Amino acid sequence: GQNIDQPTEMTATEGAIVQINCTYQTSGFNGLFWYQQHAGEAPTFLSYNVLDGLEEKGRFSSFLSRSKGYSYLLLKELQMKDSASYLCAVRAGDYKLSFGAGTTVTVRA
Amino acid sequence: EPEVTQTPSHQVTQMGQEVILRCVPISNHLYFYWYRQILGQKVEFLVSFYNNEISEKSEIFDDQFSVERPDGSNFTLKIRSTKLEDSAMYFCASEGDSHLDEQYFGPGTRLTVT
Repeated sequence: GQNIDQPTEMTATEGAIVQINCTYQTSGFNGLFWYQQHAGEAPTFLSYNVLDGLEEKGRFSSFLSRSKGYSYLLLKELQMKDSASYLCAVRAGDYKLSFGAGTTVTVRA
Repeated sequence: EPEVTQTPSHQVTQMGQEVILRCVPISNHLYFYWYRQILGQKVEFLVSFYNNEISEKSEIFDDQFSVERPDGSNFTLKIRSTKLEDSAMYFCASEGDSHLDEQYFGPGTRLTVT
């Protein structure tokens, strides 16, 4: 199975930067995904890393180090609407995603 | 923008009853998934479906569960005899033929077993 760890909660101020770390242990690694989930809603895709390095997408960036089993999601210029749960998910093998428990980010004015 | 749809949005059923949750994946997608999320817990994989057969399933997906793609557009999850612990949000997801892409999630069906 997969072991995926991420912090439970983080709080930051509007306009600031927050970095959410994710560590994983898996065999047959085939990609790491970050999803955003607002309460009561479905996960929505943010980013995907399969090779080492940084992927930038507007205010969101994601980094992967396969040798360290480590990823982070960087949220810049935080807005109130960014308050949500951020899910780290690993694909091992061909199909399923295994999700971490999620990090609840609260953005304060 | 194409999206995954699910019906119903909320289903209430009595313990022991059968339920069918319905999903319409994105039309040109080939890989289909069911996940569930018990309130306050993480998203858990149930089953993946490709080329009209189950490609992978989790320990949760026991004999009480089945999936079907009856008509080339709908993708259904059936729970034969619901238990209280089946109460959860059930998400359908689909993925394109590159299989190196994101999984697109539907809005979910909230199943409440009483």
